[in-house]
Formats: sequence, structure tokens, C-alpha cells
Amino acid sequence: DGGITQSPKYLFRKEGQNVTLSCEQNLNHDAMYWYRQDPGQGLRLIYYSQIVNDFQKGDIAEGYSVSREKKESFPLTVTSAQKNPTAFYLCASSIDWGRQAPDTQYFGPGTRLTVL
Amino acid sequence: AQSVAQPEDQVNVAEGNPLTVKCTYSVSGNPYLFWYVQYPNRGLQFLLKYITGDNLVKGSYGFEAEFNKSQTSFHLKKPSALVSDSALYFCAVRDPRANDYKLSFGAGTTVTVRA
Repeated sequence: DGGITQSPKYLFRKEGQNVTLSCEQNLNHDAMYWYRQDPGQGLRLIYYSQIVNDFQKGDIAEGYSVSREKKESFPLTVTSAQKNPTAFYLCASSIDWGRQAPDTQYFGPGTRLTVL
Repeated sequence: AQSVAQPEDQVNVAEGNPLTVKCTYSVSGNPYLFWYVQYPNRGLQFLLKYITGDNLVKGSYGFEAEFNKSQTSFHLKKPSALVSDSALYFCAVRDPRANDYKLSFGAGTTVTVRA
């Protein structure tokens, strides 16, 4: 988990509210990612970003939004449009993106979001 | 499309015995393969990866994995399991010919090592 911080660790939200999850890295990595983890389903990619001010939708982007204004930060907003937001959210980063050899993704400690 | 399967939801072994966690993959070309471990309420920790070259890859904490192209497998192994190896293990694959460079994860295998 070293080098990537996520906050808060636990988050509770009422239905109809937007909520923003923080992800910060001090590894000087170019690429950052957001995953959602549900029991028995592995990790699913929500959004990813190769470079500042650019990001791409992953497999399950509906109901989520992101921004990448700084290299070290990649916040995720879970909007009220997300039908089933209760899950464990993981942020990751990697040193480069698009090289022939893939770089390892390193993960933060995660944020557990519960919708009340 | 790329995908990975972990056929066992759970693996139970006694401490000191060999541990194997199975993974099979599906990609159109030569894959990039990864293993991660997750402890309860924590993020994923990288164990090892295969890109090319030697089919036997050695990683962290005494783990190793063998790439078998004919069987499209990348099983994780440890010769002598420890109670502290009890965790959730994920296999992941990337097709280097895909344009999106995304990792696809398996559903995970829960390993329990009993004392």
C-alpha cells in the first residue's frame, strides 16, 4: 500500500447523494486507475488516466465521474445515478502506460462505501 | 477479448504443505500475467508477473508461478505454506495487443492455511 493513500477508509452515504473518494500517490506514476470490488466478482475497472487532464472509461463507468488535474491525484465521484454503489473501491497507479512491457499496478488500501 | 478464470473459490492446506492456486487465461496472443494477494480490508499487493522468457517466475514471500502456454495456465505455488499466507489471491491478465491496455482480474481464490 505504500505510496498510495485513499481516504476515507469507510464512507457512508444516503441514497441520492454524491460522494467523492480521494486517491493520492507520491510515486511519480503517470497512470492511475479506479476499480470496484464486489464479493466473488474480482475487480472491475471504472476509469483510468494515462496523463494529467485525460482519462478514459473502463468497463463500468456509468454513475461515476473522475478528474485528473494533478499528476498525484485522481478523485472518484460516485453520483446518485450509480444504482448499486455499495462496494469496496480501490485506486491504483503505475509508472507508465503504453510501453511494450506492462508496468505493475500498485494499489492503495481502499475505501469501503456503504449506502444507507 | 481477454479473460482469466480461477476455478477454485477456496483452497485449504495445512501449514508446511505445498500450496497451489490455479489460474487459466484467455487472450488472442501472448499474455502478460500477474498475481496479487489481498488481506482483509486491505488493498492488493503485487506478488509476481510473467511477461516473457523463463516460464518459472519467482516472486515475493517465497511464491512462484509457472507459465504453461499449451494449457493456458499460470498457477501460483509455494513449496511450504504458512498460516500467514491465508488471504485472497487474484490472477490478472493483459493482452499486449489490445488497444486499451487494461488488466482483467479473476474472481479470486481464498486460501486458508491451518496450523
